[in-house]
Amino acid sequence: QQPVQSPQAVILREGEDAVINCSSSKALYSVHWYRQKHGEAPVFLMILLKGGEQKGHEKISASFNEKKQQSSLYLTASQLSYSGTYFCGTEKSQGADGLTFGKGTHLIIQP
Amino acid sequence: EADIYQTPRYLVIGTGKKITLECSQTMGHDKMYWYQQDPGMELHLIHYSYGVNSTEKGDLSSESTVSRIRTEHFPLTLESARPSHTSQYLCASSPGNTIYFGEGSWLTVV
Repeated sequence: QQPVQSPQAVILREGEDAVINCSSSKALYSVHWYRQKHGEAPVFLMILLKGGEQKGHEKISASFNEKKQQSSLYLTASQLSYSGTYFCGTEKSQGADGLTFGKGTHLIIQP
Repeated sequence: EADIYQTPRYLVIGTGKKITLECSQTMGHDKMYWYQQDPGMELHLIHYSYGVNSTEKGDLSSESTVSRIRTEHFPLTLESARPSHTSQYLCASSPGNTIYFGEGSWLTVV
């Protein structure tokens, strides 16, 4: 079951904040977040395991609400380098057969 | 992170040709994957492997085949390429939880 990402696209000014959501209708074991720039491979950002754990990396953090089966990615004080497409990938169980990815959220940061 | 190498990076071939996309990783990861991604679209799992002599089909049906004779090598083959096979093919490997991607192979079939 493919996770649903929202919004589909976001345009921000440099320094503004953004939230990207990833929802599943099925119970999840983990949610993985990736960023992909045009013409490049997806780059791993972070992994969230069930249990409502929140993680952070510099000004990018994420949470996982197990009750709602929803993960949110928070980008604080966005920088031009944050532009790209953000994908969430989900696992239904530990060691499942690969990740199932959402359709992606296109993020454009303007100076 | 994993060092994952894919060749060729870009390939333009004629319809009906046989092609092999190479993928190698140097970290000794048992799990390897092939994803297909059209420009601006999501990634679809087409093949995966849990180790030597293990190969499985993914969620997206694909006419390609894979083999896993060595841990570090996971090539993908198309016996007879068609224009519908035009896409980006991403190889990935995993030490157990996080999946790391290679640079991708852009295939155009004319």
